[in-house]
This record gives sequence, C-alpha cells and structure tokens, in this order.
Amino acid sequence: DAGVIQSPRHEVTEMGQEVTLRCKPISGHDYLFWYRQTMMRGLELLIYFNNNVPIDDSGMPEDRFSAKMPNASFSTLKIQPSEPRDSAVYFCASSFGRTSGANVLTFGAGSRLTVL
Amino acid sequence: AQTVTQSQPEMSVQEAETVTLSCTYDTSESDYYLFWYKQPPSRQMILVIRQEAYKQQNATENRFSVNFQKAAKSFSLKISDSQLGDAAMYFCASPLGAGGGADGLTFGKGTHLIIQP
Repeated sequence: DAGVIQSPRHEVTEMGQEVTLRCKPISGHDYLFWYRQTMMRGLELLIYFNNNVPIDDSGMPEDRFSAKMPNASFSTLKIQPSEPRDSAVYFCASSFGRTSGANVLTFGAGSRLTVL
Repeated sequence: AQTVTQSQPEMSVQEAETVTLSCTYDTSESDYYLFWYKQPPSRQMILVIRQEAYKQQNATENRFSVNFQKAAKSFSLKISDSQLGDAAMYFCASPLGAGGGADGLTFGKGTHLIIQP
C-alpha cells in the first residue's frame, strides 16, 4: 500500500482565498483523522470520520473550516475564506479500528499551508 | 480532557549513547494504549513504539524501549546506541477518549532530539 496520500504538499495562497486539502486513506482503514500542527499549539485534532461519517468535529476552529468524506478513499478539508492564522501543516491520518485493541494512526506526509 | 506532557523541549546526546525522553499523561481509563511517534525533518509522523497499559512488560522495538509506570502515569522512551538518523521531534501520545484510540490521539508538545556526531 502507498500509505496515506495527501495533496498538495505545499500551498501558498492569499488571504480570503479558498483552500482545499485532499487525503486518500489506506485502503481498508475505517477511521480518518484531520490534524493541524503549529509551533504554538502543537498537534490538534480537527475532525474525524468513521466509515465516512463525521463523528466529532469539535476541534474545527471556525465555520470557515469544513471537511467531507464522500467515500472510503477520499476526504477533503476546506478553508473558506483563508486567513494568515490558518498557516500550519495539516495532517491526515487513517486507522483500522478495534482489531488488536489499538488504533494505530498512520499519517500522511502533511500539507504545509501558508496564507499571506 | 486527556493531557500529555513532555517536559523536555530539547535533548542532546552523543552518537552511540543512550537517551531517555520523558512523558506523563492523564487518563481516567483503565485499559488504553500509549504511543511514541517520531517526526524527522521530512515532517512525516512515524510510529516508533506502542504500549498496552494492561501489560506489565515494557514494550521494546530494537533500540527503542519504554519505561511504563502505570501508577505514576509515566511513559518514557529510551533510545539505545543513538544514531544520526534518530535526530527528530519525538511525540508521546495517548487516546483522546475511551475508545482506545478510536477517537484519535492527543499528543504532547514534543521533544527535539539532537544527535551529536
């Protein structure tokens, strides 16, 4: 398996623009997580899905952020409109739940977002 | 809320020596897993080792081992025979909720490990 695939690797945009980050989880994994990493706040869980259904989006910072998972092999995280404080690395991770008792998260390479 | 604390922002060790990274956590669960992840400059998050809380035996993966003290809620990572490739940020993580990780993980702020040649 190619692992968790995220795109783009880098995104530079201007304030007010819409940003869409994409994620392809590992085939067969039934959990998908979106994390944000900043120097100040570290790694924060934004939202997660189970079997394509959003379970907890309490970490989503504002209504400007939205996430979807239309099928088991694709998810998007959208920011509209973007602001400079959204600059961060956004990680997608997937896992296969409750088999051995531990949900080991496998992370993608991350998308570095810079909002000017 | 579950919290994970890494009290060492940065650690430095000579190549081939041993280093221990500290982590404490807070959970009300009785059965859970704990994890150490490594993030090299490539920024890829890589699982290093995991520990099942109900197992008294400390987990070991080659040069990496943990010292798990359940009563003290302490979960330190020991790296033996440090190599240049071990240089990275190391994050300790515990489950966010009662789902053993199904609800996601909460991470410490990380320890930057420097390997001196």
